[in-house]
Amino acid sequence: EPEVTQTPSHQVTQMGQEVILRCVPISNHLYFYWYRQILGQKVEFLVSFYNNEISEKSEIFDDQFSVERPDGSNFTLKIRSTKLEDSAMYFCASSAWRETSYNEQFFGPGTRLTVL
Amino acid sequence: AQSVSQHNHHVILSEAASLELGCNYSYGGTVNLFWYVQYPGQHLQLLLKYFSGDPLVKGIKGFEAEFIKSKFSFNLRKPSVQWSDTAEYFCAVRGTYKYIFGTGTRLKVLA
Repeated sequence: EPEVTQTPSHQVTQMGQEVILRCVPISNHLYFYWYRQILGQKVEFLVSFYNNEISEKSEIFDDQFSVERPDGSNFTLKIRSTKLEDSAMYFCASSAWRETSYNEQFFGPGTRLTVL
Repeated sequence: AQSVSQHNHHVILSEAASLELGCNYSYGGTVNLFWYVQYPGQHLQLLLKYFSGDPLVKGIKGFEAEFIKSKFSFNLRKPSVQWSDTAEYFCAVRGTYKYIFGTGTRLKVLA
């Protein structure tokens, strides 16, 4: 069964450093998402991406964050200058379509980001 | 505003007890609802989903949920829990571009 994959599974970085989290969505999917979950809290939407453009972003997704689909398979989340409060589990998701009632997002296993 | 409320933040049950976790949503569009489970240290796993049709939805691991439109609810149930059901459970509603998650319910099942 196809699945969303994410690398690395765990990333440790120093405050102020740039990090890139990578995701490989399911191959025929067209819509891509990033969510994050701070330890002990709920899963929060960050951004959705379609046709090489951001469709929607949350208040969390400020200028420090960017997303990119650099090739036909990868979908990346970049945090330019990490802060302590960016420490969280970051989940990538993808879906085949958005508009119909049968949209389902498939989630990856997550990347745990620890900012020291 | 779109939102999901889960009323029970922590639930402790003994094995074989029945489970019901509450979920209420607020969303004006076509409602798609989901329950996810997250075992300690693991990623989100879909338990069940509702798109349309029969409001009683059966999922994996013996879970089921009932969509009650008049109450804006989608409660998760299991007749007899097991120790292995210890996990965190998230209800979610699909918005236009995103899923909106509830705050989660931590379930601990005592052996």
